[in-house]
Amino acid sequence: GIQVEQSPPDLILQEGANSTLRCNFSDSVNNLQWFHQNPWGQLINLFYIPSGTKQNGRLSATTVATERYSLLYISSSQTTDSGVYFCAVAGSNDYKLSFGAGTTVTVRA
Amino acid sequence: DTAVSQTPKYLVTQMGNDKSIKCEQNLGHDTMYWYKQDSKKFLKIMFSYNNKELIINETVPNRFSPKSPDKAHLNLHINSLELGDSAVYFCASSRIGQVANEQFFGPGTRLTVL
Repeated sequence: GIQVEQSPPDLILQEGANSTLRCNFSDSVNNLQWFHQNPWGQLINLFYIPSGTKQNGRLSATTVATERYSLLYISSSQTTDSGVYFCAVAGSNDYKLSFGAGTTVTVRA
Repeated sequence: DTAVSQTPKYLVTQMGNDKSIKCEQNLGHDTMYWYKQDSKKFLKIMFSYNNKELIINETVPNRFSPKSPDKAHLNLHINSLELGDSAVYFCASSRIGQVANEQFFGPGTRLTVL
């Protein structure tokens, strides 16, 4: 199956700092999603981004499908950004999402 | 309005019992999924149904049996619960099963087996 690697595994930020999370995947994909799992366990959809660039408020994401990676940018981080960020992909002709191990982000006030 | 809902949110039970988790989506999607998140927060697909038809069945013990009465509902029944079944179970749905599309997740059901 398709392999998904996320880096870094852990990230500690001071409030107001910017950061970049990376997702590498091992094969071509036709679905790539970024999720935020908040401290209450909810999985919140951030981006559906199999290719290209999207922005939503302080968050943006870029996927370079030909080079098999995606980046999630968090700008001006806030304590509410804390949680685990997951990248998940579905390969061609595949329904299921394969998840990375996640990046645990802690934003300190 | 809740898009993907699951009941119950928490489930605490004894080893050997049988339990069910229910999932409903009001998004009009054709495909529904069950994922399991283990204690290390790793998420993995278990099953998927497309229009009530099973399309994905990962290497899951046959104590786990999904049932889809219609395309808006996907339930998960677990027989003879074991300690290792303790996890968070997430239901998800997506618009079209033939081509990968954005998946939306329910709030999860935290199962604790004592």
